[in-house]
Amino acid sequence: DAKTTQPPSMDCAEGRAANLPCNHSTISGNEYVYWYRQIHSQGPQYIIHGLKNNETNEMASLIITEDRKSSTLILPHATLRDTAVYYCIVRGYGGSQGNLIFGKGTKLSVKP
Amino acid sequence: GAVVSQHPSWVICKSGTSVKIECRSLDFQATTMFWYRQFPKQSLMLMATSNEGSKATYEQGVEKDKFLINHASLTLSTLTVTSAHPEDSSFYICSARVGGIAKNIQYFGAGTRLSVL
Repeated sequence: DAKTTQPPSMDCAEGRAANLPCNHSTISGNEYVYWYRQIHSQGPQYIIHGLKNNETNEMASLIITEDRKSSTLILPHATLRDTAVYYCIVRGYGGSQGNLIFGKGTKLSVKP
Repeated sequence: GAVVSQHPSWVICKSGTSVKIECRSLDFQATTMFWYRQFPKQSLMLMATSNEGSKATYEQGVEKDKFLINHASLTLSTLTVTSAHPEDSSFYICSARVGGIAKNIQYFGAGTRLSVL
């Protein structure tokens, strides 16, 4: 699986958009970009995933660059409950390539 | 999203005893489940992949005789920590995979905090 690089921490003001970047320059053509988050002492929560097109759901938007070497997770109106560690994961599908391998993620702190 | 239930959420045991953790997919069938371990201030580490009706696949460095995994049905996988010792104290989290090969989303349980005295 391609490796990802994320900033270790970010701050965001409550009510503002949180933009979390992720670099995955070695991503291959059949690998998806997944985002999960982990609120303290809980299991990770699925947020969104995509291959090459931008994606949006009720939680967030995922913007993937045209060359697919980086992506940005956007939380449009961050709340205090969005404080968590956010993991960007790149993986293929099928067999061991389908396993989620967690890096260190970005610790997002939403402040009032 | 799909719901994964993990039980117990917290367990304290004496050194040398065995502890069983259950992971259930409540509203879907999961042919593949995963077990992770997380130490304080660290990220999740994949321990093993559990496939219904077959032997689990363990990651390198994980003792299969110590961490017994059983996936006897499409909705239940169990992890048994045998002869637990204080160094096994950790946060254990399971997940179940939903969707076909392309969608491939994992949903996680709330985790089990194991403390071995």
